[in-house]
Amino acid sequence: DAGITQSPRHKVTETGTPVTLRCHQTENHRYMYWYRQDPGHGLRLIHYSYGVKDTDKGEVSDGYSVSRSKTEDFLLTLESATSSQTSVYFCAISERTSGSSGANVLTFGAGSRLTVL
Amino acid sequence: KQEVTQIPAALSVPEGENLVLNCSFTDSAIYNLQWFRQDPGKGLTSLLLIQSSQREQTSGRLNASLDKSSGRSTLYIAASQPGDSATYLCAVRGVSGYALNFGKGTSLLVTP
Repeated sequence: DAGITQSPRHKVTETGTPVTLRCHQTENHRYMYWYRQDPGHGLRLIHYSYGVKDTDKGEVSDGYSVSRSKTEDFLLTLESATSSQTSVYFCAISERTSGSSGANVLTFGAGSRLTVL
Repeated sequence: KQEVTQIPAALSVPEGENLVLNCSFTDSAIYNLQWFRQDPGKGLTSLLLIQSSQREQTSGRLNASLDKSSGRSTLYIAASQPGDSATYLCAVRGVSGYALNFGKGTSLLVTP
């Protein structure tokens, strides 16, 4: 998947437990994103990062936090998982958000399927 | 808030047909529009990206057009094949911010 690895790929957990999903890239891209995909809602942006230690909220950020201490890793944390956070989570990267069209293309990871019981 | 709509939600065609998938968006102040393909249980693969200043982009049997003023984009697939069966998603990026707003997709089935 073009240098993006998500882990774990599948996880089942219980309500109230903390969960961390990891996105690792080998492309040295500046921009990284976390999306969730749910039936009837499509893909929605949770958080994104525009550099090391630079992050911002997306459309559905409540209940999630992120960290980016290195260019290659972007972590998504659910401090206390709830059943409404059962979803498929996708990480994406892009080189930049302006300039040549090729650099704007988002490349997605394979996804992490999370089930909260 | 930008709303992105894709019609139809599902489409079944026989192999060899040419087909058009539609995408509409409510705010014409966009930076670019992208078409993605998603196979079941997989991530998204970018097919075509159209900048706001462009009218169309082509890649092989795929052609995407953009009419920003009317808030519409179409993805044209020529001579469809069973391997084209997948969900096709349209996503719009506004002129401010970094987020892509996605449509819910069109599920395409091409039968042999």
